[in-house]
Amino acid sequence: SQQGEEDPQALSIQEGENATMNCSYKTSINNLQWYRQNSGRGLVHLILIRSNEREKHSGRLRVTLDTSKKSSSLLITASRAADTASYFCATDERSTLGRLYFGRGTQLTVWP
Amino acid sequence: DAGITQSPRHKVTETGTPVTLRCHQTENHRYMYWYRQDPGHGLRLIHYSYGVKDTDKGEVSDGYSVSRSKTEDFLLTLESATSSQTSVYFCAISEGPQAGGPYNEQFFGPGTRLTVL
Repeated sequence: SQQGEEDPQALSIQEGENATMNCSYKTSINNLQWYRQNSGRGLVHLILIRSNEREKHSGRLRVTLDTSKKSSSLLITASRAADTASYFCATDERSTLGRLYFGRGTQLTVWP
Repeated sequence: DAGITQSPRHKVTETGTPVTLRCHQTENHRYMYWYRQDPGHGLRLIHYSYGVKDTDKGEVSDGYSVSRSKTEDFLLTLESATSSQTSVYFCAISEGPQAGGPYNEQFFGPGTRLTVL
């Protein structure tokens, strides 16, 4: 399967703590994206990192990419209860233009 | 939700009946996608379209067909629904690869919950 894999499958933390999620993939990519899904809703794009980038920031989000290890991490700093959601990585692979391959997701729960 | 609507939002049907789900966009995006989401499997691509009348299969296309006669509409048809097709179906759109380089952010609709009894 070309699907990415997130780790851990579930993460439970207190408000104010940082949350780190990891994603591993298998093939050469153009970019890697992270999406968020609130319960019962569609996915929402969070951040994109290109294959020639190593780190990117957006507000409280920090994404890193290591193409030699075929892995990425998403860090959410100072988590809030409203960050409770599922987070998915998706790879835009060089061999299949126009498609994304999604992982199974990490379920993040942030307790007040 | 980025100008994407899905209809119906909920449907219960019986095994063997045909079902058509509709995705409508107002963004004039070239690419449209149908995914299904099931516990333990994440999001899996069924079919996608890269232009009017241009479609291709995804990883779980068996039992599904699609049509796109207009830029704004992408239809997913289950010719003869089975219980294994009980799922949440998401439509997504994208401008697709850009002239300046690959870029494929996708925007998702609200989903359709389909139950096949």
